Amino acid sequence: AQKITQTQPGMFVQEKEAVTLDCTYDTSDPSYGLFWYKQPSSGEMIFLIYQGSYDQQNATEGRYSLNFQKARKSANLVISASQLGDSAMYFCAFRGGGSNYKLTFGKGTLLTVNP
Amino acid sequence: DGGITQSPKYLFRKEGQNVTLSCEQNLNHDAMYWYRQDPGQGLRLIYYSQIVNDFQKGDIAEGYSVSREKKESFPLTVTSAQKNPTAFYLCASRVDRAPNTGELFFGEGSRLTVL
Repeated sequence: AQKITQTQPGMFVQEKEAVTLDCTYDTSDPSYGLFWYKQPSSGEMIFLIYQGSYDQQNATEGRYSLNFQKARKSANLVISASQLGDSAMYFCAFRGGGSNYKLTFGKGTLLTVNP
Repeated sequence: DGGITQSPKYLFRKEGQNVTLSCEQNLNHDAMYWYRQDPGQGLRLIYYSQIVNDFQKGDIAEGYSVSREKKESFPLTVTSAQKNPTAFYLCASRVDRAPNTGELFFGEGSRLTVL
């Protein structure tokens, strides 16, 4: 079974600085996908970024980038120029091979951006 | 605008009562999912459905039931057999685009409290 681990229960960052949120996974599937979602205090899950296992380049979406290190099985999220609105829970999720597209989520990291 | 509507947003029930959480989407997505979230935990998959009239158990299906009679609707019933039903429940549908990454689009959630 796939396993996904977020080792940082909480992180603090100063406004306008960059922050890295860690995510590691364990799989023997050759084809898989990795996602990051943001959950504000209101509860909805907001998709941020996706990385496929065969993608040659690290994914980027605006201020979000994914530091994908396949050999180390890590998929860390980098948020540049943090904003107060970035304060939220962040979840890493893994999608294995096969056709059922089930996502397995980590336990999350609570990010607090300080002014 | 297209989206997923979950209702009710907050629900209180007495022990021993069944309760049904509604999930309706107008995104024309084929696949729909139910996840459960407990405090300090990630999301855990309860049930999913890839097509009308078909659904599969997720990792924590015991004490829950679903139906998928229409493409737009995927209601979740929390039965009295669920030992610890107090949680935040999130419904999602899978985004249809090529290539299909497995990205999920989420509703705003329903918070169930058993008194």
